[in-house]
Amino acid sequence: QKEVEQNSGPLSVPEGAIASLNCTYSDRGSQSFFWYRQYSGKSPELIMSIYSNGDKEDGRFTAQLNKASQYVSLLIRDSQPSDSATYLCAVKSNFGNEKLTFGTGTRLTIIP
Amino acid sequence: SQTIHQWPATLVQPVGSPLSLECTVEGTSNPNLYWYRQAAGRGLQLLFYSVGIGQISSEVPQNLSASRPQDRQFILSSKKLLLSDSGFYLCAWSAGTDYEQYFGPGTRLTVT
Repeated sequence: QKEVEQNSGPLSVPEGAIASLNCTYSDRGSQSFFWYRQYSGKSPELIMSIYSNGDKEDGRFTAQLNKASQYVSLLIRDSQPSDSATYLCAVKSNFGNEKLTFGTGTRLTIIP
Repeated sequence: SQTIHQWPATLVQPVGSPLSLECTVEGTSNPNLYWYRQAAGRGLQLLFYSVGIGQISSEVPQNLSASRPQDRQFILSSKKLLLSDSGFYLCAWSAGTDYEQYFGPGTRLTVT
């Protein structure tokens, strides 16, 4: 079982709709969770971090965390063509090192 | 504000040649520093990380090495490149206890 799993996609969503990206993780002791956006040929950009169960909203983005189910998701409301990118989920273990474990990413395409 | 630099942006090297990639961070002290590699269409592979000057943790045994000669400088090296070393090399930094990592612009390496 991979430590951090994401559906590779591609996920196609019409412009203006809600895009829903999902991520599961295997380490029950994980405490910190991150979503990165990576445009083709560019480096990853941090867009959301979440540390507590529940929802965290930032503009059109909402991160949702359910530690009991070991599940974190990212919702993008009012999807725009500029949201087309690969979205990487990253998890920080509760162990005493400084590493993040990344999923392989979900490729999202917003259809005009 | 913090800034991370990587150079060169693009590099084409023959098999068997040496490699030196440099990463510097501005605007923060004693950051954690990371080297990742992303092969074409693949996820992020952590190669090395450092929590301080001269402190290097290696994640994957291979023909690469890393050094941290100064607080905000991280260098990735190889004595002899392999074809399999081709990829997108990313440097990242983090600071504090939130574990958010921020990536540099990356170096695209092609070994021919």
